[in-house]
Amino acid sequence: DIQLVQSPSSLSASVGDRVTITCQASQGINNYLSWYQHKPGKAPKVLIYDGSKLETGVPSRFSGSGSGTDFTFTIRSLQPEDVATYYCQQYDSLPSTFGQGTKLEIK
Amino acid sequence: EVQLLESGGGLVQPGGSLRLSCAVSGFTFSSYAMSWVRLAPGKGLEWVSAISGGGRPYTYYADSVKGRFTISRDNSKNTLYLQMNSLSVDDTALYYCAKSIVILPASRFDFWGQGTLVTVSS
Repeated sequence: DIQLVQSPSSLSASVGDRVTITCQASQGINNYLSWYQHKPGKAPKVLIYDGSKLETGVPSRFSGSGSGTDFTFTIRSLQPEDVATYYCQQYDSLPSTFGQGTKLEIK
Repeated sequence: EVQLLESGGGLVQPGGSLRLSCAVSGFTFSSYAMSWVRLAPGKGLEWVSAISGGGRPYTYYADSVKGRFTISRDNSKNTLYLQMNSLSVDDTALYYCAKSIVILPASRFDFWGQGTLVTVSS
């Protein structure tokens, strides 16, 4: 099984800050990586897929990069509505796996 | 508009069974793989099971549920199921159904349901 190590597990930042989350896979995943935003009581929402592609309708302050085994998710300018838990997910092979999650809060 | 609506969750004793359903609309259900993903209290998302689309669906399971859970689909009813047997407290979680973007299950998800809560407790 492919393991994803996501860090940090929690993060506190100010409105307007640049926020970065990393996700490292235990083996190459051909850029088959998504980033999700999950708010309590809501369905997870895909923000980035295939490592760096922005899902339709998602604000451009969100971005993804990386290749091979190392990936990065960035929020360019943090907004209050971005408070959520963020997960990376690999879909290169089954079982699909998720990172442990990053809980993002506003300072 | 794509919609996924889970149901069937509830309180069950250890060793018991439960069947979850996910009714979908807004897309051609038979053409897409579907998955179940769960979120246990204090933990992260965990992929549970997947079923391919098409006329002869193949099924896949996480090791943690293999032999206890069975995923199935009824394309005539646009509904996905998860039969859960021999439940343990470790199965307590919010269960989501998720739609893949293609017929194969090793693909990304584009839509998720709101989830149904399963609580295993004596």
